[in-house]
Amino acid sequence: GESVGLHLPTLSVQEGDNSIINCAYSNSASDYFIWYKQESGKGPQFIIDIRSNMDKRQGQRVTVLLNKTVKHLSLQIAATQPGDSAVYFCAESEPLWGYQKVTFGTGTKLQVIP
Amino acid sequence: ETGVTQTPRHLVMGMTNKKSLKCEQHLGHNAMYWYKQSAKKPLELMFVYNFKEQTENNSVPSRFSPECPNSSHLFLHLHTLQPEDSALYLCASSQGGEYSNQPQHFGDGTRLSIL
Repeated sequence: GESVGLHLPTLSVQEGDNSIINCAYSNSASDYFIWYKQESGKGPQFIIDIRSNMDKRQGQRVTVLLNKTVKHLSLQIAATQPGDSAVYFCAESEPLWGYQKVTFGTGTKLQVIP
Repeated sequence: ETGVTQTPRHLVMGMTNKKSLKCEQHLGHNAMYWYKQSAKKPLELMFVYNFKEQTENNSVPSRFSPECPNSSHLFLHLHTLQPEDSALYLCASSQGGEYSNQPQHFGDGTRLSIL
């Protein structure tokens, strides 16, 4: 079946360094990809998204890269801060009329070392 | 402050109880979702409502019963739950319709514990 997965369950990064979180997807029908951040006791928070007609998109301190050839997605966080500590989920979205059918990965826990 | 509000934040109930979870979105979206989040598992989609009509029931047991009275409110009615139903239940909303490639916005969830 189709699946979305993450290569690393836990990532420890020194404060100030850059973080890279990777994700693999397998549904060739997916045309929209999203990264979410979930802090303890809270729901997933939207970080950045990218459509399949793009290969890179930048936000504030975050960049998402999409490689459709190998079905790979990554989230780069520049100058990682303690407040970035959380679980990060990638998600792929298959277009269906009226709503998105979103499949989530299991998540990567980012630990920022002060 | 989240645009999606869920109540209660925590709920403990026995297997024979009946309770309801509530979700309200203030974002003007027309699609709403219920997800189940269990430890070490990906988010599981349970139900989808688009323009108040249920468009997906992802093989969820009948002890979970959703209700969407309008595009801003979503309920999940619970009865005769099992211990394995203990989890974080998340509500989300999105623009839906022809603007379906828009991110879903989540509430902070209801932590449900079944005794």
